[in-house]
Amino acid sequence: DTAVSQTPKYLVTQMGNDKSIKCEQNLGHDTMYWYKQDSKKFLKIMFSYNNKELIINETVPNRFSPKSPDKAHLNLHINSLELGDSAVYFCASSQIGTGFYEQYFGPGTRLTVT
Amino acid sequence: AQSVSQHNHHVILSEAASLELGCNYSYGGTVNLFWYVQYPGQHLQLLLKYFSGDPLVKGIKGFEAEFIKSKFSFNLRKPSVQWSDTAEYFCAVTVAGSQGNLIFGKGTKLSVKP
Repeated sequence: DTAVSQTPKYLVTQMGNDKSIKCEQNLGHDTMYWYKQDSKKFLKIMFSYNNKELIINETVPNRFSPKSPDKAHLNLHINSLELGDSAVYFCASSQIGTGFYEQYFGPGTRLTVT
Repeated sequence: AQSVSQHNHHVILSEAASLELGCNYSYGGTVNLFWYVQYPGQHLQLLLKYFSGDPLVKGIKGFEAEFIKSKFSFNLRKPSVQWSDTAEYFCAVTVAGSQGNLIFGKGTKLSVKP
């Protein structure tokens, strides 16, 4: 069984469109994250939710809006897509209640904005 | 702000050569340290982690890392690399009380020639 899954795996869209990426984890973890990996492979955290509450919100344009309907899901909605949004977006989860912050990553969603 | 530095951008080795990838972090408090690997086109996988205790930690696939607190370092080593080790390697840090926010280095690309 896949621990952290994301859909879609590839997403090609035009500038100005609105799109969503979905993430689900079946590990029973209490915290989920979104990371952006740019063309130079640099990974940076965007958001984190703990038990459906936003706990980390880095400097990200407000066109990006995460939504966590329950502990096992964290979706990312992006409005008015721009060329610079092209990247690979990774979802991750961890159980931070234990104090150990080992994160498990999903397969990534490669977003291409044309 | 906390940061992670990986000194080598691209390392090229022949099979059976020994590997050491450098990682330094800037934070004086309690940290959790990780090395992740990303094989071409795949998601990040945890190689090894350090939370406390023995500063020499062993991970999967013959990798190990040594935490040297006085040097703020967590270098990754492998005595004999294989062609299948070709991948991008990321060092990452979480700081105690940070809600699990992983701070990544910029990655080191390892190319192993058969």
